[in-house]
Amino acid sequence: GAGVSQSPSNKVTEKGKDVELRCDPISGHTALYWYRQSLGQGLEFLIYFQGNSAPDKSGLPSDRFSAERTGGSVSTLTIQRTQQEDSAVYLCASSLTRSSYEQYFGPGTRLTVT
Amino acid sequence: GENVEQHPSTLSVQEGDSAVIKCTYSDSASNYFPWYKQELGKGPQLIIDIRSNVGEKKDQRIAVTLNKTAKHFSLHITETQPEDSAVYFCAASRSQFYFGTGTSLTVIP
Repeated sequence: GAGVSQSPSNKVTEKGKDVELRCDPISGHTALYWYRQSLGQGLEFLIYFQGNSAPDKSGLPSDRFSAERTGGSVSTLTIQRTQQEDSAVYLCASSLTRSSYEQYFGPGTRLTVT
Repeated sequence: GENVEQHPSTLSVQEGDSAVIKCTYSDSASNYFPWYKQELGKGPQLIIDIRSNVGEKKDQRIAVTLNKTAKHFSLHITETQPEDSAVYFCAASRSQFYFGTGTSLTVIP
């Protein structure tokens, strides 16, 4: 079946601009995660959604970062006033439920801030 | 919070040899330990996982071992093939996931 999809695959933006990254999780998956992967680094947790519960935003690095999940499905990660240090690959993952653990990752969005 | 350390950062092996990657974690409450394989330009893919009530799990050429007392777990790949070349990540979780910094594995034909 269809996996997790993300768009765009690549995004180049100028410093100071806002960007929106989209994630379509696997149908039926109630849990959705956003991670950031900088070059040569591991995955840094950003935010987590579970059903209709309040999201866990504890990983967001600054108030320039925010995320929404509409209708319990598609999620959008927004970065306002982008900085060069925001350049990274942004990965989305979904799992059936929080307790099912197994996460399935999308291909990521490579963000470059010039 | 949890701290996951992964070693080595790079690993080269001859085709057919075994590869071992090790991770340690700090939070004794972590109870789920997945391993992911990430190929260039792709997202990580789950290849094997283990829960804290199990000491070892095998799936064909890959196996994972967990030592809860020592708080470390390892990935073993036997009879390595060139297509095993990728970056491998470990993670530890009890709710949130904490990832290691990755091991770049190269299998030399």
